[in-house]
Amino acid sequence: AQSVTQLDSQVPVFEEAPVELRCNYSSSVSVYLFWYVQYPNQGLQLLLKYLSGSTLVKGINGFEAEFNKSQTSFHLRKPSVHISDTAEYFCAVSDKGSEKLVFGKGTKLTVNP
Amino acid sequence: NAGVMQNPRHLVRRRGQEARLRCSPMKGHSHVYWYRQLPEEGLKFMVYLQKENIIDESGMPKERFSAEFPKEGPSILRIQQVVRGDSAAYFCASSLRTSGVYEQYFGPGTRLTVT
Repeated sequence: AQSVTQLDSQVPVFEEAPVELRCNYSSSVSVYLFWYVQYPNQGLQLLLKYLSGSTLVKGINGFEAEFNKSQTSFHLRKPSVHISDTAEYFCAVSDKGSEKLVFGKGTKLTVNP
Repeated sequence: NAGVMQNPRHLVRRRGQEARLRCSPMKGHSHVYWYRQLPEEGLKFMVYLQKENIIDESGMPKERFSAEFPKEGPSILRIQQVVRGDSAAYFCASSLRTSGVYEQYFGPGTRLTVT
């Protein structure tokens, strides 16, 4: 069965520092990969997605992620974070042809001044 | 274009009561998904519906839970005889299938508290 592992449950960083949120998945078939952001008491907003093609995917708010098939990873990065990036970030995977998203447990990013 | 709407945003029920959660998909979307988020957990898939059809309910608990998406009106997730363990945030998402590629748009969620 599919699973998604987000290795860090909490990541504190200072404003303007770079950040990487790690995500590994397990699947025996081709997949689609997603990162979502959830602000407090709100729904999920799509940051970026990998469907096919270039393994480096750029998303909203300056985020990007790189799909690494050999390492089954899809880490999220941002070169310089803002206070407003404080939120919870979820990695999700879906088998191609499936409608189900399988989510990781989330990483809480806290950006400190 | 309004996003996915869910109501109520917060719902408090006593043990044994029924909970009804509503989801109105984005305009033109005919696919609806329900997910449950327990505290400190990621979202877990519950059910996938198209208009008048349940396509995949592999994530639904076997008892007390049901979902529908009628031809007219919102999708409803119904939980009968709620228990404390049902306390969670329930999210609805909708999508518009195009050439097999999709994107799910999420609503703000309904936070159910069972007392």
